[in-house]
Amino acid sequence: NAGVTQTPKFRVLKTGQSMTLLCAQDMNHEYMYWYRQDPGMGLRLIHYSVGEGTTAKGEVPDGYNVSRLKKQNFLLGLESAAPSQTSVYFCASSYDPGGYTFGSGTRLTVV
Amino acid sequence: SNSVKQTGQITVSEGASVTMNCTYTSTGYPTLFWYVEYPSKPLQLLQRETMENSKNFGGGNIKDKNSPIVKYSVQVSDSAVYYCLLRCGNQFYFGTGTSLTVIP
Repeated sequence: NAGVTQTPKFRVLKTGQSMTLLCAQDMNHEYMYWYRQDPGMGLRLIHYSVGEGTTAKGEVPDGYNVSRLKKQNFLLGLESAAPSQTSVYFCASSYDPGGYTFGSGTRLTVV
Repeated sequence: SNSVKQTGQITVSEGASVTMNCTYTSTGYPTLFWYVEYPSKPLQLLQRETMENSKNFGGGNIKDKNSPIVKYSVQVSDSAVYYCLLRCGNQFYFGTGTSLTVIP
């Protein structure tokens, strides 16, 4: 019963490097989300998807891109990492909006 | 506009009851969720509340309504961050979380 799996769990990037965070869910959920969590800010929505092949911008989409080529996977890409993107990233999925299952998070540091 | 506000930090002794507030403003017919984040563990859904009777409040416009979560006889293991999430249609708004510390 894997639920939502995020990889990697930790990563350190240099400014300007690129990387992709992978989120995989095995619950056949339609909705998937990427959030970032920063101290004192709570969770902020970066991008989300309401189904395979669809993506939409959230509250803080700048500097990130996403893709949902397969229903079970939601990829978050950073094309040119910046120190302001140092954060903990959470992926979530849901059968209907709001009833989330979250991944365990990815701690990203950009130096 | 829609917004959610939560108390930042609460510290209580073991065995006490604690109320964590979630004050929201909504222009639609909201659904409210409570999530908990234990250290080093993913967020978990605590409860979900659909405001089906919200039409009785200003025709769907709600301002500064509090929908708290109450925990009775808390234990040290209840120490965590509790998040309130407001859903209005396809828009989601997280509170900044309430950090609950239970001391023995």
